Amino acid sequence: DTAVSQTPKYLVTQMGNDKSIKCEQNLGHDTMYWYKQDSKKFLKIMFSYNNKELIINETVPNRFSPKSPDKAHLNLHINSLELGDSAVYFCASSQVPIGLANYGYTFGSGTRLTVV
Amino acid sequence: DAKTTQPPSMDCAEGRAANLPCNHSTISGNEYVYWYRQIHSQGPQYIIHGLKNNETNEMASLIITEDRKSSTLILPHATLRDTAVYYCSGSFGNEKLTFGTGTRLTIIP
Repeated sequence: DTAVSQTPKYLVTQMGNDKSIKCEQNLGHDTMYWYKQDSKKFLKIMFSYNNKELIINETVPNRFSPKSPDKAHLNLHINSLELGDSAVYFCASSQVPIGLANYGYTFGSGTRLTVV
Repeated sequence: DAKTTQPPSMDCAEGRAANLPCNHSTISGNEYVYWYRQIHSQGPQYIIHGLKNNETNEMASLIITEDRKSSTLILPHATLRDTAVYYCSGSFGNEKLTFGTGTRLTIIP
């Protein structure tokens, strides 16, 4: 069973379109994340949700809207896609026992978004 | 989050120990040191983390200096499948995990 699964794996779309990427984790984790990896391979956090509540929003354009219907799902909707949105988007999840470090993030395999 | 500095690339012969250094001189007292790796086109993979003491698991060993300003990840018997970009990071609890530029480790047959 895939622990963190993202769909689709590849997405090619035209500028101005609206698209969504879905993420699901079956690990029972409370916290989920979206990361963006650009063409230079820099990995940057975009959002974090804990039990469906937004806890981190890293100054991402408001064209990006995460949605968490339940703690096992965190979807990313992108409006009015731009060329600069082309990147690989990774979903991740983690569990943090109170007072301890997290035991590591589990990442999905990524969604390669290409805007043409 | 601690700022980390790693060499951009390293080579290691297959079967030898790979020692990957990381400087994190701004790490705070309650921040853990994390190591991840990213094999080409895959999602980052958690390797190990530690606070003060050295740690070992089935993948690697983590040596943290006494002043906690640097650490070394050790892959004891590197294989070709260990070729990847290795990232170290400082983080606490549920705070965001940030990634630097990492070290591209190439295992040479």
